[in-house]
Amino acid sequence: SYELTQPPSVSVSPGQTARITCSGDALPKQYAYWYQQKPGQAPVLVIYKDSERPSGIPERFSGSSSGTTVTLTISGVQAEDEADYYCQSADSSGTSWVFGGGTKLTVL
Amino acid sequence: QVTLRESGPALVKPTQTLTLTCTFSGFSLSTSGMCVSWIRQPPGKALEWLALIDWDDDKYYSTSLKTRLTISKDTSKNQVVLTMTNMDPVDTATYYCARILAVAGTGFDYWGQGTLVTVSS
Repeated sequence: SYELTQPPSVSVSPGQTARITCSGDALPKQYAYWYQQKPGQAPVLVIYKDSERPSGIPERFSGSSSGTTVTLTISGVQAEDEADYYCQSADSSGTSWVFGGGTKLTVL
Repeated sequence: QVTLRESGPALVKPTQTLTLTCTFSGFSLSTSGMCVSWIRQPPGKALEWLALIDWDDDKYYSTSLKTRLTISKDTSKNQVVLTMTNMDPVDTATYYCARILAVAGTGFDYWGQGTLVTVSS
């Protein structure tokens, strides 16, 4: 079955830039989405269609795509950004949805 | 205002069938492009997509679980129901329902708060 691969963890100091990658063979064909999940809470959509930001999401969150890899970038990281981040996409047929394994962002 | 709420048993025994209901408001599942999906998350682990039903009653299932899952909708009640047969302790997880406009590419833009299901004898 189709898989998306993320690094298990990323650590940055406050004010720095965090980059979380997600790789998958179908990403050139299918959009990617990013979700933030804090402990005990449901996930929140922070990026859709590779690089679009939903209303209410701070501008420091951005997304990009290059080939089989998509990247979530958080500029000027704040303590409140510490969370698990999941990428999500679909397989090449667009009929099966998949999540990456998640990346724990630690703000040092 | 879009809301979704999951309901169902907190505890099921191994081999039993789990039935979960997602009750939503603020949108209609009869609207073209509208979909509702089920996603689960075992304690301390990653999200796992399970199933999706769309406005046209087309249904899609996780390849690894499709023999055990059934998704259905009651548009008049604004509900989506997921059944999972032959429950096992490894199915212990928080189960979420979420809205998605799959054709428009919105992603899972609204989620319920989740319901924890424990499988134990």
